[in-house]
Amino acid sequence: AQKVTQAQTEISVVEKEDVTLDCVYETRDTTYYLFWYKQPPSGELVFLIRRNSFDEQNEISGRYSWNFQKSTSSFNFTITASQVVDSAVYFCALSPYNNNDMRFGAGTRLTVKP
Amino acid sequence: DAGVIQSPRHEVTEMGQEVTLRCKPISGHDYLFWYRQTMMRGLELLIYFNNNVPIDDSGMPEDRFSAKMPNASFSTLKIQPSEPRDSAVYFCASSAWDRGTEQYFGPGTRLTVT
Repeated sequence: AQKVTQAQTEISVVEKEDVTLDCVYETRDTTYYLFWYKQPPSGELVFLIRRNSFDEQNEISGRYSWNFQKSTSSFNFTITASQVVDSAVYFCALSPYNNNDMRFGAGTRLTVKP
Repeated sequence: DAGVIQSPRHEVTEMGQEVTLRCKPISGHDYLFWYRQTMMRGLELLIYFNNNVPIDDSGMPEDRFSAKMPNASFSTLKIQPSEPRDSAVYFCASSAWDRGTEQYFGPGTRLTVT
């Protein structure tokens, strides 16, 4: 069975603060994919990143960075110097390598105040 | 490039009526997914297709729901008869052939059943 847990339901920060969104997953598969999506107030789901289970290198994209640790089954997302436009619900997701059954976490609502 | 297109964007209907949601995937994508998002249950995968063939419909809530994909550029999700508990945002997403690749979501259809 696959499961994604995002324990933080809501986070509120002030602009320019760094913030980390936690994601913990469970799977019996040895190979799998992990994802992060952003859902801004407008409602669409925007793909941010995909990570293969066999690639534990951390990734940085501008103010965004992702820390994948297989040993702790975690795939955390950090926003550096947060901005008001980062306010959104962020979803972590998991899918097996051999099919497209993607499971989403419950999401973390991030509010960045000016 | 055009993204995933969904119509209508909003639908309000009375209980017992038939509702049809439409989706046009990204050209060249051969996987198509239907999701439902509610506050109570989060994002749920309802059904997905590969090359127009339904692969997994285990997420379809009950027989009132049906989905079709008559060709590579069009899919429908039908609810007949609709019930108030079907009120939700329904997303369509598509992805390319390599398994586990990121899914690109449409803007969603907000369905309200009164």
